[in-house]
Amino acid sequence: GAVVSQHPSWVICKSGTSVKIECRSLDFQATTMFWYRQFPKQSLMLMATSNEGSKATYEQGVEKDKFLINHASLTLSTLTVTSAHPEDSSFYICSASRDSSNEKLFFGSGTQLSVL
Amino acid sequence: GDSVTQMEGPVTLSEEAFLTINCTYTATGYPSLFWYVQYPGEGLQLLLKATKADDKGSNKGFEATYRKETTSFHLEKGSVQVSDSAVYFCALSHGGATNKLIFGTGTLLAVQP
Repeated sequence: GAVVSQHPSWVICKSGTSVKIECRSLDFQATTMFWYRQFPKQSLMLMATSNEGSKATYEQGVEKDKFLINHASLTLSTLTVTSAHPEDSSFYICSASRDSSNEKLFFGSGTQLSVL
Repeated sequence: GDSVTQMEGPVTLSEEAFLTINCTYTATGYPSLFWYVQYPGEGLQLLLKATKADDKGSNKGFEATYRKETTSFHLEKGSVQVSDSAVYFCALSHGGATNKLIFGTGTLLAVQP
């Protein structure tokens, strides 16, 4: 089946630094990629939707200047957490769809971010 | 807005026990309902889905029935195995071009031999 690779699986960084998370579709071209965030004991929440070659669409309450999303190719999307703070510590997951219907999504294994 | 509520884990069962993980939802209209499973170190995978009231989704011995009257989509399995240990997410979507998924919190299932 289709595979989505997410890297790194975990990262620890100092407050004020930026962290980049990569999401790659390994055996298909992803027209749309989604980024989610999950705080402990809370729901997995959609942060933004990105389409290749265009600006990401952010959900209400998500700061686009803090969470920079780049979807420069059909197989790669990146999420950069800029000037990270401890409250950004969370579990981040990406998913990718191979067609515009988004009927079938393939998920990465997630990235646990800890900001000290 | 739309939301999904599922039972808090962890759920710990012995092998061959009966499993129920409760899921209820709040949504306008008639969303599609899903169960996703995440095995350790892997991405979420679609386990089963139902797109209209009274539909039953099933896969790998798991079942869930779309109950409009109780706004529920409880996950069941008659006899769990150690290999079923994973995190299970209930979700809903109204479909369409974006097909945004709204997830519950996830429930960790640990099956002991």
